[in-house]
Amino acid sequence: DIQMTQSPSSLSASVGDRVTITCRASQTISSYLNWYQQKPGKAPKLLIYAASSLQSGVPSRFSGSGSGTDFTLTISSLQPEDFATYYCQQSYSTPHPTFGPGTKVVIK
Amino acid sequence: QLQLQASGPRLAKTSETLSLTCTVSGGSVSSSSYYWGWIRQPPGKGLEWIGSFYFSGTTYYNPSLKSRVTISVDTSKNQFSLMLSSVTAADTAVYYCARLDDTNGWSSYFDYWGQGTLVTVSS
Repeated sequence: DIQMTQSPSSLSASVGDRVTITCRASQTISSYLNWYQQKPGKAPKLLIYAASSLQSGVPSRFSGSGSGTDFTLTISSLQPEDFATYYCQQSYSTPHPTFGPGTKVVIK
Repeated sequence: QLQLQASGPRLAKTSETLSLTCTVSGGSVSSSSYYWGWIRQPPGKGLEWIGSFYFSGTTYYNPSLKSRVTISVDTSKNQFSLMLSSVTAADTAVYYCARLDDTNGWSSYFDYWGQGTLVTVSS
């Protein structure tokens, strides 16, 4: 099984900050990496697929990069609605996807 | 607009079988290049993929749950179902149904999710 890790597990930031979240795979997964945002009581929402492709309707302040085993999600200027938990998910082993443990972004 | 709606008992008894159904509207569970699956999230914890089926009828399960999981589909009702047997308190979670889009030839992703339903396992 491909294991996913994320760092940090949580971070505190202020509105307007640039935020970077890291995801690492236990083996190379090329660019088969997606990012989701989840708010309390809601289903996850797809933000980025194939490591760097922005899902339709997602603000351009979100971006993704990386390939192989190391990936990042960047929020260029954090907005109040961005406080949430973010998950990475590998699709290299489709149809056996695995998710990272999540990174919670809280208000400083 | 595709919508998924999970339904089923919110309470399951220890050692019994948890059953949920996902009804799909605005699309077909028989559409090619899509998987339809279940993901769960224990309270305060992360996401765990349970299993999926492909439009061709093939099913895939998380190895850690495989011995207890069955996913089936009813194309006439545009529904798919989850059965998880021999449940314990550790199976208490919000259960989501979702579509895995595998059409872009690159990275497949969960693009549509149901609202989630909390199932509590208790004796």
